Amino acid sequence: DSGVTQTPKHLITATGQRVTLRCSPRSGDLSVYWYQQSLDQGLQFLIQYYNGEERAKGNILERFSAQQFPDLHSELNLSSLELGDSALYFCASSVGGASGVQADTQYFGPGTRLTVL
Amino acid sequence: AQKVTQAQTEISVVEKEDVTLDCVYETRDTTYYLFWYKQPPSGELVFLIRRNSFDEQNEISGRYSWNFQKSTSSFNFTITASQVVDSAVYFCALSEDSGYSTLTFGKGTMLLVSP
Repeated sequence: DSGVTQTPKHLITATGQRVTLRCSPRSGDLSVYWYQQSLDQGLQFLIQYYNGEERAKGNILERFSAQQFPDLHSELNLSSLELGDSALYFCASSVGGASGVQADTQYFGPGTRLTVL
Repeated sequence: AQKVTQAQTEISVVEKEDVTLDCVYETRDTTYYLFWYKQPPSGELVFLIRRNSFDEQNEISGRYSWNFQKSTSSFNFTITASQVVDSAVYFCALSEDSGYSTLTFGKGTMLLVSP
């Protein structure tokens, strides 16, 4: 158990819908990262938040957005869902993650499997 | 741009065999970090090791060992006396010092250990 929690574990929805994935980082971790794992794209970094502020953006679609709340939990919002958005979405957390600081180890949650029908 | 290549898509071995998973990386940074993660059939990603670019010492942890060679940009992972529970997908990942700690993953190597 990494200490990172994600809900829900599974999500099935229809095209065009909007969903919210939730992540709680390990106690004491300030950074939260979101990754998408799909068969064709592999594991891809989406976005990072550090202590409530967006720090880095990867291959995140404009239909996707995220935020980190004062209690450090994070939510990933996916809207106007398409079949191709079906994937396993991971949240990870680390102690730091600010630029210029050595890369911390990221610990991953169990993931949310999203199926878009 | 940073890149991680795991050329072996799938490896099948019989229990007790030794197996090496290859990882080759590309980066322009002089300071970077390399990681290995394990993804068992249950789906979670489990951290195995983190190594910084200034530490080329090989590391051993039980049946696991890692060989880091900057000269060939490789960070290979060896499992000695493999067991069925080692069956999983293994990912090598790279984080550049300038990259806010975000990870670039390889495509992964699926290891199948049969009894």
